[in-house]
Amino acid sequence: EAGVVQSPRYKIIEKKQPVAFWCNPISGHNTLYWYRQNLGQGPELLIRYENEEAVDDSQLPKDRFSAERLKGVDSTLKIQPAELGDSAVYLCASSSLGLQETQYFGPGTRLLVL
Amino acid sequence: GENVEQHPSTLSVQEGDSAVIKCTYSDSASNYFPWYKQELGKGPQLIIDIRSNVGEKKDQRIAVTLNKTAKHFSLHITETQPEDSAVYFCAASILSGGSYIPTFGRGTSLIVHP
Repeated sequence: EAGVVQSPRYKIIEKKQPVAFWCNPISGHNTLYWYRQNLGQGPELLIRYENEEAVDDSQLPKDRFSAERLKGVDSTLKIQPAELGDSAVYLCASSSLGLQETQYFGPGTRLLVL
Repeated sequence: GENVEQHPSTLSVQEGDSAVIKCTYSDSASNYFPWYKQELGKGPQLIIDIRSNVGEKKDQRIAVTLNKTAKHFSLHITETQPEDSAVYFCAASILSGGSYIPTFGRGTSLIVHP
């Protein structure tokens, strides 16, 4: 079974530029999470989807961050415009209804904003 | 919200020794406690978890204990091996809308010397 797929793995951009991250969850997993992991810290939840509905986006900085999961499968997280403080690893995770507590993480996208 | 403290931040042991990582949490509503291992350049991977109705769980060289009264839980690794070297994260999770939402600790960098 394929795991959670994320792309790109690395991204370097200049501040004020837009950037987008893509996530393909494990097949059949209806819940999808986006996390941000700053250097030396644990992941912090940005947004959670149940199918195509965003059920928890309270930690998403809505002035510059947006996310979508149009067909309830793949998801995209966007930052526009990026700031220096957005440099971090962006992790995607998914879980299934049967084992709701177990989250499976992708490898992450490492973003560097110059 | 939930607050998770994790200690130590760095742990260096000799191959064959035991390693113990401790976490405390603040919200008594947390009832699911996973532990993740994160290797360099990879996403966190679940290694063991425990629910609030269980005091201890063991899986080969790895064990987790939970004291709900004191709000602390610990990870124990016996007979450590160099391949155990990684960053370990604890998390305290609350059930919300059908999914568990974890709050992660800051991580422990475990170094196992051959």
